[in-house]
Amino acid sequence: GAGVSQSPSNKVTEKGKDVELRCDPISGHTALYWYRQSLGQGLEFLIYFQGNSAPDKSGLPSDRFSAERTGGSVSTLTIQRTQQEDSAVYLCASSYGQGRSSGGETQYFGPGTRLLVL
Amino acid sequence: GQNIDQPTEMTATEGAIVQINCTYQTSGFNGLFWYQQHAGEAPTFLSYNVLDGLEEKGRFSSFLSRSKGYSYLLLKELQMKDSASYLCAVRVGSYNTDKLIFGTGTRLQVFP
Repeated sequence: GAGVSQSPSNKVTEKGKDVELRCDPISGHTALYWYRQSLGQGLEFLIYFQGNSAPDKSGLPSDRFSAERTGGSVSTLTIQRTQQEDSAVYLCASSYGQGRSSGGETQYFGPGTRLLVL
Repeated sequence: GQNIDQPTEMTATEGAIVQINCTYQTSGFNGLFWYQQHAGEAPTFLSYNVLDGLEEKGRFSSFLSRSKGYSYLLLKELQMKDSASYLCAVRVGSYNTDKLIFGTGTRLQVFP
Protein backbone atom coordinates (compact mmCIF):
# COMPACT_ATOMS: atom_id res chain seq x y z
CA GLY A 1 0.00 0.00 0.00
CA ALA A 2 0.95 3.65 -0.31
CA GLY A 3 3.08 5.24 2.33
CA VAL A 4 2.83 8.70 3.84
CA SER A 5 2.88 11.35 1.15
CA GLN A 6 3.70 15.03 1.50
CA SER A 7 3.47 18.01 -0.80
CA PRO A 8 5.16 20.03 -2.00
CA SER A 9 8.49 18.26 -1.86
CA ASN A 10 10.31 21.58 -1.99
CA LYS A 11 9.14 25.10 -1.24
CA VAL A 12 11.05 28.34 -1.59
CA THR A 13 9.35 31.43 -0.22
CA GLU A 14 10.14 34.98 0.74
CA LYS A 15 10.33 36.13 4.32
CA GLY A 16 6.93 37.27 5.52
CA LYS A 17 4.88 35.06 3.22
CA ASP A 18 2.54 32.30 4.42
CA VAL A 19 3.07 28.67 3.42
CA GLU A 20 0.92 25.55 3.61
CA LEU A 21 2.37 22.06 3.78
CA ARG A 22 0.22 19.00 3.20
CA CYS A 23 0.37 15.46 4.55
CA ASP A 24 -1.59 12.37 3.48
CA PRO A 25 -1.17 9.62 6.09
CA ILE A 26 -1.25 5.89 5.48
CA SER A 27 -4.81 4.68 5.04
CA GLY A 28 -6.22 3.36 8.32
CA HIS A 29 -3.76 5.24 10.51
CA THR A 30 -5.56 7.31 13.12
CA ALA A 31 -2.53 9.09 14.56
CA LEU A 32 -0.64 11.80 12.68
CA TYR A 33 2.48 13.72 13.69
CA TRP A 34 4.46 16.66 12.39
CA TYR A 35 8.19 17.04 13.06
CA ARG A 36 10.80 19.55 11.95
CA GLN A 37 14.40 18.72 11.08
CA SER A 38 16.76 21.67 10.93
CA LEU A 39 20.28 21.36 9.54
CA GLY A 40 22.47 19.50 12.02
CA GLN A 41 19.62 19.07 14.48
CA GLY A 42 17.54 16.12 15.56
CA LEU A 43 13.91 15.80 14.62
CA GLU A 44 11.79 18.15 16.71
CA PHE A 45 8.19 17.28 17.58
CA LEU A 46 5.63 19.86 16.53
CA ILE A 47 2.09 18.50 16.85
CA TYR A 48 0.14 15.25 17.32
CA PHE A 49 -3.37 14.33 16.16
CA GLN A 50 -5.24 11.23 17.35
CA GLY A 51 -8.64 10.57 15.89
CA ASN A 52 -11.15 13.19 16.99
CA SER A 53 -9.29 14.09 20.18
CA ALA A 54 -7.88 17.55 20.80
CA PRO A 55 -4.39 17.73 19.26
CA ASP A 56 -1.22 18.08 21.30
CA LYS A 57 0.19 21.38 20.05
CA SER A 58 2.91 21.66 22.70
CA GLY A 59 5.75 21.46 20.16
CA LEU A 60 4.67 24.34 17.93
CA PRO A 61 7.46 26.96 18.23
CA SER A 62 5.29 30.06 17.93
CA ASP A 63 1.76 31.21 17.22
CA ARG A 64 2.75 31.62 13.58
CA PHE A 65 2.49 27.84 13.31
CA SER A 66 -0.83 26.04 13.13
CA ALA A 67 -2.09 22.72 11.86
CA GLU A 68 -5.38 21.09 11.18
CA ARG A 69 -6.57 17.66 10.23
CA THR A 70 -9.73 17.36 8.23
CA GLY A 71 -11.92 14.28 8.29
CA GLY A 72 -9.39 12.41 10.38
CA SER A 73 -7.11 12.01 7.39
CA VAL A 74 -5.26 14.75 5.51
CA SER A 75 -3.38 17.35 7.54
CA THR A 76 -2.14 20.82 6.68
CA LEU A 77 0.64 22.64 8.53
CA THR A 78 0.50 26.40 8.03
CA ILE A 79 3.31 28.81 8.79
CA GLN A 80 2.33 32.47 8.72
CA ARG A 81 4.73 35.35 8.13
CA THR A 82 7.64 32.99 7.55
CA GLN A 83 11.06 33.80 8.97
CA GLN A 84 14.47 32.57 7.83
CA GLU A 85 14.79 30.40 10.93
CA ASP A 86 11.74 28.44 9.71
CA SER A 87 13.91 26.96 6.95
CA ALA A 88 14.00 23.21 7.61
CA VAL A 89 12.63 19.89 6.45
CA TYR A 90 9.09 19.35 7.71
CA LEU A 91 8.30 15.66 8.18
CA CYS A 92 4.93 14.08 8.67
CA ALA A 93 4.43 10.63 10.19
CA SER A 94 1.45 8.41 10.89
CA SER A 95 0.73 5.34 12.98
CA TYR A 96 -2.20 3.13 13.90
CA GLY A 97 -2.35 5.07 17.13
CA GLN A 98 -2.74 4.32 20.80
CA GLY A 99 -4.69 1.34 22.01
CA ARG A 100 -3.62 -0.92 19.21
CA SER A 101 -1.69 -4.12 19.75
CA SER A 102 2.07 -4.17 19.75
CA GLY A 103 3.49 -2.64 16.59
CA GLY A 104 0.69 -0.16 16.20
CA GLU A 105 2.79 2.53 17.77
CA THR A 106 5.42 2.56 15.03
CA GLN A 107 5.51 5.89 13.23
CA TYR A 108 6.05 5.83 9.48
CA PHE A 109 7.49 8.95 7.93
CA GLY A 110 6.78 10.74 4.70
CA PRO A 111 9.53 12.13 2.43
CA GLY A 112 9.25 15.61 3.91
CA THR A 113 8.88 19.12 2.56
CA ARG A 114 12.10 21.10 2.28
CA LEU A 115 11.26 24.69 3.11
CA LEU A 116 13.65 27.52 2.32
CA VAL A 117 12.79 31.02 3.44
CA LEU A 118 14.81 33.71 1.68
CA GLY B 1 13.82 17.74 30.62
CA GLN B 2 14.41 15.48 27.68
CA ASN B 3 17.92 14.45 26.71
CA ILE B 4 19.07 11.82 24.25
CA ASP B 5 22.76 11.35 23.50
CA GLN B 6 24.39 9.43 20.71
CA PRO B 7 27.76 9.83 18.97
CA THR B 8 27.80 12.30 16.12
CA GLU B 9 29.84 10.23 13.68
CA MET B 10 31.24 6.73 13.34
CA THR B 11 33.22 4.96 10.67
CA ALA B 12 33.55 1.27 9.94
CA THR B 13 34.74 -1.14 7.27
CA GLU B 14 32.60 -3.20 4.96
CA GLY B 15 31.91 -6.62 6.48
CA ALA B 16 32.63 -5.47 10.03
CA ILE B 17 30.34 -5.03 13.04
CA VAL B 18 29.48 -1.66 14.52
CA GLN B 19 27.61 -0.73 17.70
CA ILE B 20 25.87 2.64 18.01
CA ASN B 21 25.08 3.64 21.58
CA CYS B 22 22.26 5.81 22.84
CA THR B 23 21.66 7.07 26.35
CA TYR B 24 18.52 8.87 27.38
CA GLN B 25 16.99 10.85 30.21
CA THR B 26 13.34 11.56 29.55
CA SER B 27 10.24 12.36 31.53
CA GLY B 28 8.35 9.21 30.75
CA PHE B 29 9.26 6.22 28.65
CA ASN B 30 7.01 4.15 26.40
CA GLY B 31 9.63 2.49 24.25
CA LEU B 32 12.71 3.23 22.16
CA PHE B 33 12.95 3.31 18.38
CA TRP B 34 15.84 3.20 15.96
CA TYR B 35 15.42 4.70 12.52
CA GLN B 36 17.76 4.80 9.52
CA GLN B 37 17.91 7.95 7.44
CA HIS B 38 19.81 8.25 4.17
CA ALA B 39 20.77 11.76 3.13
CA GLY B 40 17.81 13.64 1.74
CA GLU B 41 15.36 10.86 2.53
CA ALA B 42 12.75 10.07 5.15
CA PRO B 43 13.65 8.12 8.29
CA THR B 44 12.77 4.43 7.93
CA PHE B 45 11.87 2.20 10.86
CA LEU B 46 14.49 -0.31 12.01
CA SER B 47 13.54 -1.52 15.49
CA TYR B 48 11.44 -0.95 18.58
CA ASN B 49 12.28 -2.00 22.15
CA VAL B 50 9.87 -1.59 25.03
CA LEU B 51 11.17 -4.33 27.34
CA ASP B 52 14.75 -4.95 28.45
CA GLY B 53 16.80 -7.21 26.28
CA LEU B 54 17.91 -7.83 22.75
CA GLU B 55 15.72 -7.75 19.64
CA GLU B 56 17.28 -9.31 16.56
CA LYS B 57 16.23 -8.67 13.00
CA GLY B 58 18.56 -10.10 10.41
CA ARG B 59 21.79 -8.07 10.33
CA PHE B 60 20.37 -5.55 12.81
CA SER B 61 19.91 -6.00 16.55
CA SER B 62 18.80 -3.53 19.20
CA PHE B 63 19.29 -3.73 22.94
CA LEU B 64 17.55 -1.89 25.76
CA SER B 65 18.27 -1.44 29.46
CA ARG B 66 15.57 0.73 31.02
CA SER B 67 17.27 0.88 34.43
CA LYS B 68 20.40 2.31 32.82
CA GLY B 69 18.63 4.52 30.27
CA TYR B 70 20.70 2.86 27.58
CA SER B 71 20.23 1.29 24.18
CA TYR B 72 22.44 0.22 21.35
CA LEU B 73 21.97 -0.69 17.72
CA LEU B 74 24.24 -3.42 16.41
CA LEU B 75 24.87 -3.73 12.69
CA LYS B 76 26.60 -6.88 11.46
CA GLU B 77 28.18 -7.72 8.10
CA LEU B 78 28.26 -4.06 7.17
CA GLN B 79 27.50 -3.13 3.58
CA MET B 80 28.21 0.10 1.75
CA LYS B 81 24.47 0.83 1.64
CA ASP B 82 24.46 0.97 5.46
CA SER B 83 26.16 4.37 5.23
CA ALA B 84 23.44 6.59 6.67
CA SER B 85 22.38 8.41 9.82
CA TYR B 86 20.93 6.31 12.62
CA LEU B 87 18.39 8.01 14.83
CA CYS B 88 17.61 6.98 18.38
CA ALA B 89 14.16 8.09 19.56
CA VAL B 90 12.29 7.65 22.83
CA ARG B 91 8.53 7.41 22.79
CA VAL B 92 6.88 9.49 25.51
CA GLY B 93 3.23 10.07 26.05
CA SER B 94 0.18 9.97 28.20
CA TYR B 95 -3.56 9.77 27.70
CA ASN B 96 -3.59 12.83 25.47
CA THR B 97 -0.28 12.75 23.68
CA ASP B 98 2.18 10.45 21.98
CA LYS B 99 5.45 11.64 20.49
CA LEU B 100 9.02 10.71 19.76
CA ILE B 101 11.97 12.58 21.24
CA PHE B 102 14.94 12.22 18.92
CA GLY B 103 18.67 12.35 19.40
CA THR B 104 20.67 14.27 16.82
CA GLY B 105 21.57 11.06 15.02
CA THR B 106 24.79 9.16 14.37
CA ARG B 107 26.23 9.47 10.90
CA LEU B 108 27.81 6.15 9.93
CA GLN B 109 30.26 5.92 7.06
CA VAL B 110 31.16 2.47 5.77
CA PHE B 111 34.39 2.19 3.82
CA PRO B 112 35.44 -0.61 1.45
